[in-house]
Amino acid sequence: GENVEQHPSTLSVQEGDSAVIKCTYSDSASNYFPWYKQELGKGPQLIIDIRSNVGEKKDQRIAVTLNKTAKHFSLHITETQPEDSAVYFCAASAMNTGFQKLVFGTGTRLLVSP
Amino acid sequence: DVKVTQSSRYLVKRTGEKVFLECVQDMDHENMFWYRQDPGLGLRLIYFSYDVKMKEKGDIPEGYSVSREKKERFSLILESASTNQTSMYLCASSGQGWNNEQFFGPGTRLTVL
Repeated sequence: GENVEQHPSTLSVQEGDSAVIKCTYSDSASNYFPWYKQELGKGPQLIIDIRSNVGEKKDQRIAVTLNKTAKHFSLHITETQPEDSAVYFCAASAMNTGFQKLVFGTGTRLLVSP
Repeated sequence: DVKVTQSSRYLVKRTGEKVFLECVQDMDHENMFWYRQDPGLGLRLIYFSYDVKMKEKGDIPEGYSVSREKKERFSLILESASTNQTSMYLCASSGQGWNNEQFFGPGTRLTVL
């Protein structure tokens, strides 16, 4: 089955810096890669996703890149702000499972200091 | 505003008790999911359901069962709670399609003593 590895487990940056979180996956059949943000006391919330027919996707200060050959994808946050502090999860899913079965990474705790 | 609600934010139970965790969504979603979240392990899928009365095992179903009698409600059952089931439990729902967004509830932190 699919295995998703995520690094780093914790990341501390200064406000205004960029942050990068990296994930690798094992199943070449995976073709959908969402990123979720979990704030303290809340459930995870989708912030951006990418499908395997696209190499990069941007939404304001966040972007995701996908390298299918190397089986890795990354989340990039530019001009970080204190409200970006949260736990971020990457995930992978393959359409051939028939249902949306996401396999999540282990999470990255991002701390943005003012 | 879309919503997934879970019956309790915090729950404390004794070893051997039968525990019910309830989840309700108001989005008319076909798919519902139960995950447990543990530090360093991320989110792991326990069970999911793609239709009323239908269920599929996830990656860690041992010690758990589920019930989906109505489309909007998905229950997780711990038949005989054990201390290793102390965890944060998250419910989610999504519409049809393999790449539809999953909407999560706020979670239930269960402690088994």
